[in-house]
Parts: sequence; C-alpha cells; structure tokens
Amino acid sequence: EPEVTQTPSHQVTQMGQEVILRCVPISNHLYFYWYRQILGQKVEFLVSFYNNEISEKSEIFDDQFSVERPDGSNFTLKIRSTKLEDSAMYFCASRRQSSYEQYFGPGTRLTVT
Amino acid sequence: GQNIDQPTEMTATEGAIVQINCTYQTSGFNGLFWYQQHAGEAPTFLSYNVLDGLEEKGRFSSFLSRSKGYSYLLLKELQMKDSASYLCAVRFYQAGTALIFGKGTTLSVSS
Repeated sequence: EPEVTQTPSHQVTQMGQEVILRCVPISNHLYFYWYRQILGQKVEFLVSFYNNEISEKSEIFDDQFSVERPDGSNFTLKIRSTKLEDSAMYFCASRRQSSYEQYFGPGTRLTVT
Repeated sequence: GQNIDQPTEMTATEGAIVQINCTYQTSGFNGLFWYQQHAGEAPTFLSYNVLDGLEEKGRFSSFLSRSKGYSYLLLKELQMKDSASYLCAVRFYQAGTALIFGKGTTLSVSS
C-alpha cells in the first residue's frame, strides 16, 4: 500500500538555523499538507498546497515558514530561522482529489536547541 | 473560534464497548473525521461523517448530529492494541480543506 514518507525522522538544530523537512506524498495525490504537534499537545494545521500554490495557511505559518514542491515527487517545509518553540513533530499529509481522507506520514521530530 | 472538545482520558477493559464523544462549533461545519494515533506515531484515518447518522466499519462506528454539533466514536470488543489517542478533527468552510483537531482522547485498555 502506498505511503507518505518523510525525511529525516529526527532533526536537531540550533536556534536561528534554517531547516528543511522533506516529504514524498503518495504519487497520485494532488493535495498536500503540513501539520505540527508539540509534545503533549494537539495536532495543528500549518498549510495546505494544491496546484503549485498555497491554498490555506494558519496563523502559525508566518514569514519564517515556506513550502515548495521542487519536483514531481517532493514537498518541503522550510523554517528560515528556527526558534525554541518550533520544536515539535511535523507531519506531512496528502490526499486524492476524489477523497476527503488525508494520509499522514510518520513525521519528523524537530528539536531546536 | 473553532473549538473542538473531547474528554482527555478514558479507560476500559478488554472486550468492552467504549464511546468517545466530540463536540464542535457548528458554524461553517463541513465534515468530521476520527483518527487514531499511537504514541510517537502518525495519525491514521478511522472514519468520516458529513451527514447525520451512524457509519459502521467493523468494530468501529462513528455517529454525527450536525444540529447538535456532536459526534461519537464507538469502539466494540476492545482489544489491548486499541490503547491509543483518538483524535476528532473537523473541516470548516472558513478553513478550506484543513483539518482542525481536538486535543484527543487517550484511551487505555486493560485486561
């Protein structure tokens, strides 16, 4: 069964550094999402992406964040200058055009020190 | 706001039935999802409701009342592996296709 994959599984970075989190959505899916989950808290929506542009974004997704689909398979989340409070699990998700179900990847645990 | 409320924790024993409730703000409602999340893992899809009524899928069922802003997830014949967090998530028209999650209900199943 096809799966959403994410790399790396764990990223440790220093405050102020840039990080890029990578996702490979399921191949025939057209809608892509990033969510985050701070330890012990709820899953929070960051951004959705369709047809090579951002569809929706939350208040969390400020100018420090950006997303890109650099080729036909990858979908990336960049954080320009990381802060301690960016430490969280970041989940990528994707869905088909004809379905509401979002498939989540295994997540990247980002630790900012 | 788009408040989604569910109990924080529940406990049950193997073989039992448990009902996990979720209430949400009805304004702009456009569908409700239940996801299961084991500790340290990704959420996995369980069910989707957009019309009133009960959707049954094996041991799991989900119910929706749009007028009351209320849903529940019913788990039957509980097994130890059902110990997990159960996340209620709602789509609102204002937020497009984004899922807005509740804080989740941690279910502990004991023998």
